Amino acid sequence: EAQVTQNPRYLITVTGKKLTVTCSQNMNHEYMSWYRQDPGLGLRQIYYSMNVEVTDKGDVPEGYKVSRKEKRNFPLILESPSPNQTSLYFCASSLSRFSPHSSYEQYFGPGTRLTVT
Amino acid sequence: KQEVTQIPAALSVPEGENLVLNCSFTDSAIYNLQWFRQDPGKGLTSLLLIQSSQREQTSGRLNASLDKSSGRSTLYIAASQPGDSATYLCAVNYGGSQGNLIFGKGTKLSVKP
Repeated sequence: EAQVTQNPRYLITVTGKKLTVTCSQNMNHEYMSWYRQDPGLGLRQIYYSMNVEVTDKGDVPEGYKVSRKEKRNFPLILESPSPNQTSLYFCASSLSRFSPHSSYEQYFGPGTRLTVT
Repeated sequence: KQEVTQIPAALSVPEGENLVLNCSFTDSAIYNLQWFRQDPGKGLTSLLLIQSSQREQTSGRLNASLDKSSGRSTLYIAASQPGDSATYLCAVNYGGSQGNLIFGKGTKLSVKP
């Protein structure tokens, strides 16, 4: 089954304790990204990756890191989490960032609810 | 600034009604538009993707239309069912180097038996 998986699904942690949220897709997609969803603000992109070893900042990258060592995996790293990073996080992937001749649907993971106290 | 607006924010209808959800966007130079469904505390399920060259897409009881010139898209749900209750999100892809989707804040739909 084609899917995007995230782990963990729920996480409660304390300020300053480094954590990693994993994301994996089995569709051989080139493009992957991370979003956070907050009440009243909607979904906003944190980081994105156009392919292996190619990553760049989205709209709200502060406090986050990512890596793309393999095509299927795109972990989100919080080196020193703070309470303002309490949010619902989504990983997404699509076949390609964009193509001049067709559009590519983006697929989302089930979400990771993070609480930082 | 590229913005996506969804009206209404919430909608309650009796079972069996046909309904329309609205999405408007400020910049008409879109690459594609995607409608998602989100159940409480859950992930995003893609419902329909409309490419910039298309006027509409259909899947079962769902029909999405796109009018780039007016900056609008609608999601039509026929014969609504309680299981359709969820938040519906509209997202626009402008195909820029960032490749991100610009999301509306959603319409929370409640279909009452």
